[in-house]
Parts: sequence; structure tokens; C-alpha cells
Amino acid sequence: GEDVEQSLFLSVREGDSSVINCTYTDSSSTYLYWYKQEPGAGLQLLTYIFSNMDMKQDQRLTVLLNKKDKHLSLRIADTQTGDSAIYFCAERDSSASKIIFGSGTRLSIRP
Amino acid sequence: EAQVTQNPRYLITVTGKKLTVTCSQNMNHEYMSWYRQDPGLGLRQIYYSMNVEVTDKGDVPEGYKVSRKEKRNFPLILESPSPNQTSLYFCASSLAGQGTYEQYFGPGTRLTVT
Repeated sequence: GEDVEQSLFLSVREGDSSVINCTYTDSSSTYLYWYKQEPGAGLQLLTYIFSNMDMKQDQRLTVLLNKKDKHLSLRIADTQTGDSAIYFCAERDSSASKIIFGSGTRLSIRP
Repeated sequence: EAQVTQNPRYLITVTGKKLTVTCSQNMNHEYMSWYRQDPGLGLRQIYYSMNVEVTDKGDVPEGYKVSRKEKRNFPLILESPSPNQTSLYFCASSLAGQGTYEQYFGPGTRLTVT
């Protein structure tokens, strides 16, 4: 079945860029998403990219999609302490009826 | 305020004692879904509903039931909870089940089954 994989942890220095990577298996995915979960809270949609796009930029966030390699990344420029959270990659499956989530990457910020 | 609410937020119960976690949304969304979140496993979908009276199994439906009698409510029922159902549960809703419609998540219900 479809699968979405991410590394579990990432630590970056405040002010540096963070790059969170994700791979997925469903080649017919239509939309790919990045969600953010802050401690004790539910998930919030950060950004999404349609499968026919290569890149999407939204302020400090840049999403890159390599459809050939089924690789999605989220770059956060000038990482701040408020960016500490778990980031989930997700894809909408080919039947379009559900979203499949990765295991989440916990981003921690060093001073 | 547009939101998804869940109750209770925290629950400790014993094996075999039936429980219901309620979920309600005030956005007139058609699509609703239940997930469980476990360390290292991310979110796994339990059940989803494309509209009233339409429910389908997700990836991990065993031991759970749902109903969708009204558009706004989507309760999750554990008829006979077991310790392996100890988890953090999230309800979510979106305008529709297809397209890029954002899923709005509730605050979560932390369930412990002893």
C-alpha cells in the first residue's frame, strides 16, 4: 500500500535553514502536504503542493517536489524557536478519499 | 469561531469498559475522519466519513466503531477497549473528501486503557 517516510528528528541552530525530507510511494498522488504540530495541539496545515508543480514558496517556507524520485522537502529559512514542532509530510492517495501521513519529524532549535 | 471539538480531552479507563469520544465541527464540513497518533508511527486513519450516513474503514479500524447520523458529529466508539488502544486520538474535518481542502484538526484526546 501507500507509504510516506520521514526521519524522526532534526536539530538546527537558530537562524539557520531547516530542511525536512520525505519520501512517498504512491506515484499517482495528487496533493502533498506539510502539517505542523505544536506541543499539546492538533495538526495545522502549513502548505501544500499539487503534483504537477516542482516548487512552491510561501514566505519562509519553500517546498520542493521531485516527482521522479518521489521526494518532497520543506525548507524553513531563518529558523526560529517558534518553529519547534513536529512536521508531518502527507499525501492524498490516488483514490483521493484519504490523506496518508508520515511518522513526523521533530524539529528542535539550538541557541 | 470555526473549530473541531473533541471530548473528553483526557480519559483513563479500564479494559472492556465501553467508551465514546465525541467529535463535533461547526463548519458544515462534509468529510470527517478519526486518526490515532502513536510515537514513531505518525497518524494512522481509523475511520472516515464522506458525508452523513457514509462511513468507511481507514487503515486501523479494528476495535473501533463510528457513526455519522448528523453532519456535524462523528463519534468514535470503543466497545471493549484494550491496552493497545492507548493512544492520542484526533478528529479532523474538511469541506469535502477530495481536492485540496484543508483538514481541520481537533485538539486531541489522550486515552489510556489499563
